[in-house]
Amino acid sequence: KQEVTQIPAALSVPEGENLVLNCSFTDSAIYNLQWFRQDPGKGLTSLLLIQSSQREQTSGRLNASLDKSSGRSTLYIAASQPGDSATYLCAVDSNYQLIWGAGTKLIIKP
Amino acid sequence: EAEVAQSPRYKITEKSQAVAFWCDPISGHATLYWYRQILGQGPELLVQFQDESVVDDSQLPKDRFSAERLKGVDSTLKIQPAELGDSAMYLCASRLAGGTGELFFGEGSRLTVL
Repeated sequence: KQEVTQIPAALSVPEGENLVLNCSFTDSAIYNLQWFRQDPGKGLTSLLLIQSSQREQTSGRLNASLDKSSGRSTLYIAASQPGDSATYLCAVDSNYQLIWGAGTKLIIKP
Repeated sequence: EAEVAQSPRYKITEKSQAVAFWCDPISGHATLYWYRQILGQGPELLVQFQDESVVDDSQLPKDRFSAERLKGVDSTLKIQPAELGDSAMYLCASRLAGGTGELFFGEGSRLTVL
């Protein structure tokens, strides 16, 4: 059974720092992995989708990597800004089911 | 820009009352999901549609929850009767047929049961 874990549950860093968020999964047989951002009281916004055949995807200051063999994905945020404060969730598409992590709450201090 | 539409954004109701949520997915998206999210947790799947057919409703509390997507486009999720424990965010999401592409969410419907 696929399980997805995001550690840490919360992270607070000063503005301007580069940071990495982690997403681990137990079964390497995945179709893709997607990273989302969620602001308080709002829906989820898709950030990056990595297909199983890809190693990484980039969008602006965001870079997501995927290593299926080790069951890990990382979301790298460069030059963090207070507006990046949100909860970041990853979801693994496995056997036509989406398995979700509980998210990492990120706070960027001005 | 195409988006998933949901209404209402907020709903306050008393327990034992009926409540309904509506979702209009992105045009052309055959796969539609309803999720429930408790604060601090990841989304929990309630029901998945492929066109008008239910693909997965194994986690839907069928004694009180129902969902339909009659014409394979918009969808309604109903709760009757509402219970205190139903207070949560109800999220609708859609993606293209095949079910492995990028997933797009609506803004959600926040339910408070008093």
